[in-house]
Amino acid sequence: EIVLTQSPGTLSLSAGERATLSCRATENLSTSYLAWFQQKPGQAPRLLISATSRRATGIPDRFSGSGSGTDFTLTIGRLEPEDIAVYYCQQYGRKPYTFGQGTKLEIK
Amino acid sequence: VQLVESGGGVVQPGKSLRLSCAASGFTFSTYTMHWIRQTPGKGLEWVATILYDGSEKYYAESLKGRFTVSRDNVNNTLSLQMDSLTVGDTAIFYCARDLSTWGWAYWGRGTLVSVSS
Repeated sequence: EIVLTQSPGTLSLSAGERATLSCRATENLSTSYLAWFQQKPGQAPRLLISATSRRATGIPDRFSGSGSGTDFTLTIGRLEPEDIAVYYCQQYGRKPYTFGQGTKLEIK
Repeated sequence: VQLVESGGGVVQPGKSLRLSCAASGFTFSTYTMHWIRQTPGKGLEWVATILYDGSEKYYAESLKGRFTVSRDNVNNTLSLQMDSLTVGDTAIFYCARDLSTWGWAYWGRGTLVSVSS
């Protein structure tokens, strides 16, 4: 099983700052099958990024993804109050499909 | 695209429950579908996958033998039969649509399963 470890557990930043979220895998991943989700309280996860760097429909361009091998990053430029959420990475290329444990983003 | 889960509720340990996911707004019979669950303790966990035509099914190893995924492509419904439920199965269950490398872009709002005596 591929384990995804996200860091930090909690990230507290001010509006307008840049957020960098990390996801590290225990094995090399195909960049075609690494995704990022945003989840707000009481809501289902929302796909932000697929295939490492491809923004999903309707996602603002301040959300960007990068990485390869075992290290992947979600960057949120110019944080807005609405970005308060938990962010999860996911690998969906090899079963069992797995998710990271999440990074909670707080706005100061 | 709309996915609506139903069938959750409170159930005693050892009992069974059947979840449904009603799909609309797309050609259901052409998409692989997934079940995912979420608990406070274990986060998001993939449960099962069924190919577009039901020909292949895959399960999380820990759930094999207790959970069964199926689909009805005539009525556009995905199902999850859950047997011998334990307290550890308490979770919100989501269904999601697969789009290969484009990811799992569509999820339902989830249905809560609570296993308690």
